[in-house]
Amino acid sequence: DGGITQSPKYLFRKEGQNVTLSCEQNLNHDAMYWYRQDPGQGLRLIYYSQIVNDFQKGDIAEGYSVSREKKESFPLTVTSAQKNPTAFYLCASRLAVSYNEQFFGPGTRLTVL
Amino acid sequence: QQPVQSPQAVILREGEDAVINCSSSKALYSVHWYRQKHGEAPVFLMILLKGGEQKGHEKISASFNEKKQQSSLYLTASQLSYSGTYFCGTEGGNNNDMRFGAGTRLTVKP
Repeated sequence: DGGITQSPKYLFRKEGQNVTLSCEQNLNHDAMYWYRQDPGQGLRLIYYSQIVNDFQKGDIAEGYSVSREKKESFPLTVTSAQKNPTAFYLCASRLAVSYNEQFFGPGTRLTVL
Repeated sequence: QQPVQSPQAVILREGEDAVINCSSSKALYSVHWYRQKHGEAPVFLMILLKGGEQKGHEKISASFNEKKQQSSLYLTASQLSYSGTYFCGTEGGNNNDMRFGAGTRLTVKP
């Protein structure tokens, strides 16, 4: 079945540690996205990538880093520089034209202790 | 750059109607609508492209006023299954940078 997978579903880390969230898609989509969602709030764009080896900062990129070495993978690293990393992280993908829908993964809930 | 949604929350009785609005301060290329149930990923509802297009799917429809940079989502004869948080996503051009509003929490009661 085609889709987007994120792992793990729940993740706990100690403050000061870097952590990498996985996002994989087998939909042959060109564009991939990372969003952060805080309780009762909307989706805020962290990073997005339109093609392999290229990505752009979103509105809240500070404290995060990404890579896009393969078309199907877009991992997000939450660094120790991110001051408040506890949140629900959603990965999405779509074809590289704007009028196509985004498909979302199931999300990873990160808790920093 | 994020679009603004209103209202923030709506409570309805089954069978009542609701309108959710989405506006942007910049010119829009397209507007997307999604619904999210608690703890789940957002689910796609529909896309509207510039040109004043209106789309509908059963009892959920939407309009897009390009000149006003606004879109509205119409839910008629609401059902319990309509409960959730509705998000609009907007794009200012063909560069794939989708931004979402803060969401509208819709609760439908029996």
